[in-house]
Amino acid sequence: SQTIHQWPATLVQPVGSPLSLECTVEGTSNPNLYWYRQAAGRGLQLLFYSVGIGQISSEVPQNLSASRPQDRQFILSSKKLLLSDSGFYLCAWTRGGNQPQHFGDGTRLSIL
Amino acid sequence: AQSVTQPDIHITVSEGASLELRCNYSYGATPYLFWYVQSPGQGLQLLLKYFSGDTLVQGIKGFEAEFKRSQSSFNLRKPSVHWSDAAEYFCAVVLSGSARQLTFGSGTQLTVLP
Repeated sequence: SQTIHQWPATLVQPVGSPLSLECTVEGTSNPNLYWYRQAAGRGLQLLFYSVGIGQISSEVPQNLSASRPQDRQFILSSKKLLLSDSGFYLCAWTRGGNQPQHFGDGTRLSIL
Repeated sequence: AQSVTQPDIHITVSEGASLELRCNYSYGATPYLFWYVQSPGQGLQLLLKYFSGDTLVQGIKGFEAEFKRSQSSFNLRKPSVHWSDAAEYFCAVVLSGSARQLTFGSGTQLTVLP
């Protein structure tokens, strides 16, 4: 069966520090991968998605970037965090077509 | 542009009562529709999905949803709510395109009273 892992589960970072959140999927190949952000009391905002290694599409211009160095690895990064980057970050995968997305357990990011 | 509306931000029901969460979509073609549930501090879990065929779909945890094309709705229902159903519920629509991006509603927070 397929599983998706996100880490860390929680992270507290100072303003201006770098960020690296990692997401990996097991049990499938060539998944579509997604990064979402969920602000407190808000819905989900799609940040990035990827349909293959090295292919990244950005939905919202911002302080963040994403990379896909391996087929089942998706990384969310920032060089200098802002207070507005606080939130709950979710990674998801799908086989594509009309298959639903499956979500990781998320990372709670707090910026001080 | 495609959009999903969940008109109820917060709903409170008593345990054992019936539940209906509303979802309306704006989409140019027959959509693929989903309901997800999110417990506090957790990721999203898929409850059910609609692609085509029977407009009443059954999901996990005793939930069902009905697709009504004439009303552009996909409401989630449960005949008898349990305390463990307290969570946030999201309706989502697949955006056309090769990456099958989901468009989410803003969510409905469900509180269950004992």
